[in-house]
Amino acid sequence: EVHLVESGGGLVQPGGSLRLSCAASGFNISTSRMTWVRQAPGKGLECVAKIKEDGSEKHYVDSVKGRFSISRDNAKKLVYLQMNSLGAGDTAMYFCATLDDLGTFDIWGQGTLVTVSS
Amino acid sequence: DIQMTQSPSSLSASIGDSVTITCRASQKVNDFLNWYHQKPGRAPKLLNDLTCNLQTGVPSRFSACGSGTDFSLTISSLRPDDFGTYYCQQGFSPPYTFGLGTRLDIK
Repeated sequence: EVHLVESGGGLVQPGGSLRLSCAASGFNISTSRMTWVRQAPGKGLECVAKIKEDGSEKHYVDSVKGRFSISRDNAKKLVYLQMNSLGAGDTAMYFCATLDDLGTFDIWGQGTLVTVSS
Repeated sequence: DIQMTQSPSSLSASIGDSVTITCRASQKVNDFLNWYHQKPGRAPKLLNDLTCNLQTGVPSRFSACGSGTDFSLTISSLRPDDFGTYYCQQGFSPPYTFGLGTRLDIK
């Protein structure tokens, strides 16, 4: 069965850092574009970062450019999101999701909650 | 960026009713329009891609259609499991943007 499991969320002070991890199972992660999609409390969905299958290309939404970094380890079937200089606006549930060639987010993890507060 | 506008933002319906949610893109997205269903505290679940293509396991009570900039999702014979929030999302041009969602509640 196909699964994505996120971890690494938690409470962090403004200006702090967190590293999220996404562990894949049941499919070949090396053939999938991977993304991090966040959802602020009571709000909609926003893809904040995506990475090509081989890690050669990465894209970020403007609000996280220069602060967040996405990476992957296909051998370990892991995807990461390093988040620095966190602010209250980054408080959200962070989902890991695959992105297919049609621009569809087809496999989702259950999410990990990031709360930025003093 | 392509803006996705859903309407209504919320609606109430009863078991057995039919409802239609609409989604409008700020520019043409051809057929690259997807719908997701999210229940509270859960991850979104893909309902269909390429506008009308239902995913395996999604009941035929769900139907989606549209083209260009205007799309709709119709759910007939509502069941308790259908309630939650529905999002449209364009896969035509990055960043692949979502609508703000339509919350469907039990009347």
